[in-house]
Amino acid sequence: DTGVSQNPRHKITKRGQNVTFRCDPISEHNRLYWYRQTLGQGPEFLTYFQNEAQLEKSRLLSDRFSAERPKGSFSTLEIQRTEQGDSAMYLCASISGTTISYGYTFGSGTRLTVV
Amino acid sequence: AQSVTQLGSHVSVSEGALVLLRCNYSSSVPPYLFWYVQYPNQGLQLLLKYTTGATLVKGINGFEAEFKKSETSFHLTKPSAHMSDAAEYFCAVSDEATDKLIFGTGTRLQVFP
Repeated sequence: DTGVSQNPRHKITKRGQNVTFRCDPISEHNRLYWYRQTLGQGPEFLTYFQNEAQLEKSRLLSDRFSAERPKGSFSTLEIQRTEQGDSAMYLCASISGTTISYGYTFGSGTRLTVV
Repeated sequence: AQSVTQLGSHVSVSEGALVLLRCNYSSSVPPYLFWYVQYPNQGLQLLLKYTTGATLVKGINGFEAEFKKSETSFHLTKPSAHMSDAAEYFCAVSDEATDKLIFGTGTRLQVFP
């Protein structure tokens, strides 16, 4: 068990480009969550999956954002036509069981800088 | 809607002094409550959590927190600060329906020698 893995750790992109991040959860965890954290703020919920089903998307997730979790394993978060306001740390977390009392495990995050 | 308020965006203490980081929450049902620590350019590490049972919860690195329903609080304490405790601390409450976490804005802890 190597924990939750996120790649890349850092991404610098030009405004208007598309970027994709990957999250590999702990293998037996069936729920996977994406959060966004801007400087000086707490993480904000973006979306989550139970197995391969995307069950909720935040209003923060504009049409330029899309997330997938094919086969209920790893997940990808894509941002199209990036804007400077997308610069943030993108965090992935996974949990097992049907209740959060089992606890979240967070990845180290992907820091996106849009220039 | 559930929310979390962390009083004090910055807290400074001397090494060896008591650490007290405040967290108040709003929730219509008994919540699950969490404290996470974040070191620079790192993800979040769980310090401790309250789900049910004993209201005084002990976590890693000598931290503990007490759930006080009447005060809707879950303050984090450590009797004696260490230089390595310098980090950002986040309090969070879980959403009953989705288990997603709602975080506070965080408290940056500085420890002076």
